[in-house]
Amino acid sequence: GEQVEQLPSILRVQEGSSASINCTYENSASNYFPWYKQEPGENPKLIIDIRSNMERKQTQGLIVLLDKKAKRFSLHITDTQPGDSAMYFCAASYNVLYFGSGTKLTVEP
Amino acid sequence: EAGVTQSPRYAVLQEGQAVSFWCDPISGHDTLYWYQQPRDQGPQLLVYFRDEAVIDNSQLPSDRFSAVRPKGTNSTLKIQSAKQGDTATYLCASSFNWGGGDTQYFGPGTRLLVL
Repeated sequence: GEQVEQLPSILRVQEGSSASINCTYENSASNYFPWYKQEPGENPKLIIDIRSNMERKQTQGLIVLLDKKAKRFSLHITDTQPGDSAMYFCAASYNVLYFGSGTKLTVEP
Repeated sequence: EAGVTQSPRYAVLQEGQAVSFWCDPISGHDTLYWYQQPRDQGPQLLVYFRDEAVIDNSQLPSDRFSAVRPKGTNSTLKIQSAKQGDTATYLCASSFNWGGGDTQYFGPGTRLLVL
């Protein structure tokens, strides 16, 4: 199997600042690391992912970093907006997705 | 393209009652997943199928939970004799391929409350 640890569980930032969420995994066979955003009452939606052949990926204000040696990956949201407020889940996969416990991000105006 | 659809959206049961959840994956997706998401936690895989075959059901509480996908398209997850600890959102997801590296698309989920 796989164990994914996600921190912090709660994150409050001011609008316009950056937010960072960190995840670690245990199984070196994991090779796919997606990030999902989930708003209240909604389903998780993929926002960005990275595969093990990459160390960094960036799209639309999101940056994902992957350190395979340390078995660590992270999501960085630049220039946060109130609309970024949601639960964020990281996941690691070598056959199925193993999710972290989530981070509740609140962006305050 | 239509997304993953699920029904019902909500269910409220007394302990001991049975309930079935239905999922229609994205057309052409051969892999279908059922997850349980307790409140304020991440989704946890219960079972997944490739076409009509169960690939892994090791996390499914087999004494009360069952899942089928008889024609390799729609799927049904059933809970016999529900317990309060089953209170959660049940999410269905599908992907084009299996093997872990394919994007999974989630349905809206069924929120279950067991009283």
